[in-house]
Amino acid sequence: DAKTTQPPSMDCAEGRAANLPCNHSTISGNEYVYWYRQIHSQGPQYIIHGLKNNETNEMASLIITEDRKSSTLILPHATLRDTAVYYCIVRAVNAGNNRKLIWGLGTSLAVNP
Amino acid sequence: DTEVTQTPKHLVMGMTNKKSLKCEQHMGHRAMYWYKQKAKKPPELMFVYSYEKLSINESVPSRFSPECPNSSLLNLHLHALQPEDSALYLCASSQDSGSVETQYFGPGTRLTVL
Repeated sequence: DAKTTQPPSMDCAEGRAANLPCNHSTISGNEYVYWYRQIHSQGPQYIIHGLKNNETNEMASLIITEDRKSSTLILPHATLRDTAVYYCIVRAVNAGNNRKLIWGLGTSLAVNP
Repeated sequence: DTEVTQTPKHLVMGMTNKKSLKCEQHMGHRAMYWYKQKAKKPPELMFVYSYEKLSINESVPSRFSPECPNSSLLNLHLHALQPEDSALYLCASSQDSGSVETQYFGPGTRLTVL
């Protein structure tokens, strides 16, 4: 299963874009990249996922490099409520086991006023 | 509605007690999960139920006993726990429809074992 590497912490000014990088250099061709976040003492919240193409939804954009070895989650206008731990995850595709998410340690994003 | 509910929010129990954690979803999802999360660590998968049958047990000690009474409910029965079992216990659900599995999480139960 592919592993992910993220910086342990990042800071961002309120109103600016937050760009969170993730390295997944051993990802397989049929593995998705997922992003979740976890606000302190709450359950993780799904943000976005992608396979090859860039994706955008109401929460964020996901930019995946052409070789798929890394990706960036972009929060276009960060607010104080975006302060959380952000997890970049790849989905295991072992036969009969495709529900497992391989969690890394995440990036603790602090959005400052 | 993408809500997964968990009760209780907080639980304190002694090592000889028996208690249960409850999880409920009404999204029509057919896969449900229990995770354990220690402070400053990512969630660790414990169990997965698919169509009300246990499909994954991540070598969890028998003092944790999951139960899926129907497709909307998931319980975790606790007995003879140890202080090191204190953690945030998270429930999640997903459609279990194939390749793309987005899991939706509940708020968790904060468990303290004395």
